[in-house]
Amino acid sequence: NAGVMQNPRHLVRRRGQEARLRCSPMKGHSHVYWYRQLPEEGLKFMVYLQKENIIDESGMPKERFSAEFPKEGPSILRIQQVVRGDSAAYFCASSPGALRVSSGNTIYFGEGSWLTVV
Amino acid sequence: AQSVAQPEDQVNVAEGNPLTVKCTYSVSGNPYLFWYVQYPNRGLQFLLKYITGDNLVKGSYGFEAEFNKSQTSFHLKKPSALVSDSALYFCAVRERGNAGNMLTFGGGTRLMVKP
Repeated sequence: NAGVMQNPRHLVRRRGQEARLRCSPMKGHSHVYWYRQLPEEGLKFMVYLQKENIIDESGMPKERFSAEFPKEGPSILRIQQVVRGDSAAYFCASSPGALRVSSGNTIYFGEGSWLTVV
Repeated sequence: AQSVAQPEDQVNVAEGNPLTVKCTYSVSGNPYLFWYVQYPNRGLQFLLKYITGDNLVKGSYGFEAEFNKSQTSFHLKKPSALVSDSALYFCAVRERGNAGNMLTFGGGTRLMVKP
C-alpha cells in the first residue's frame, strides 16, 4: 500500500509565477490535509478537504492560495503570483474516509514538496 | 481551541543516555496525542499515539511516551539514545470529538545525539 505521494519534491519558481503542488492520498483515504512548514518553524495547518469539498480552510492565506480535491485525481495546492515568503515545505497528509470520533484516526504524511521562490 | 507546546527548541544528549522531549497540550475535552519525527528533507513519520487505556504508549524505534492527564503532558522518551535519533520531533493533539480530524502541532524540538 503506497503512502501519501507528493510531487514535485522540489520546485523553484520566480516571483510572480504560479506553483502547483500535487498530493495523492493513501489508497482508501478520502480526506486530505495540507500543512506548511516555514524555515525554522513548526507545521501550520492550512486546509482540510474531502473529495470535492473544502471542509476547513481556516489556515489558508486569504489571497493567492487555493486548494482542491477533485472526484478523480490528486489534491492540488495552488499558489498564484508567488513571493519569496511562500518559500517553505508543504506537506500533504491523508486519513481514512470514514471518520469515527472515538477512533483516534492517525493521519499519514507525504514526504513534502519544497518550494523555493527566487 | 486546542494547542500544543514544546518548551525546548533543542535537546542535546549523549549516545547511550536516556532522552526526554517534552510536550504539553491544551484541549477542552479529552485528547488524542501523537508524536511525529522529521529527518532532514523528509516528511513526517508517525512514531506513536495515545488514544485511551494505558498511559504509557510504546512506538517505533524504541520510543515511548507517557500520558499524564493531571499535568496535561505527553513527553517522549527513550531509554538509550542513538546518534541516528537526531531529528526534529513534533508533538500533536486532536480533541476527541473533533469531527474535523485536524491535528494541531507543536513548534518542534530538535534532538541532537552526540557520539
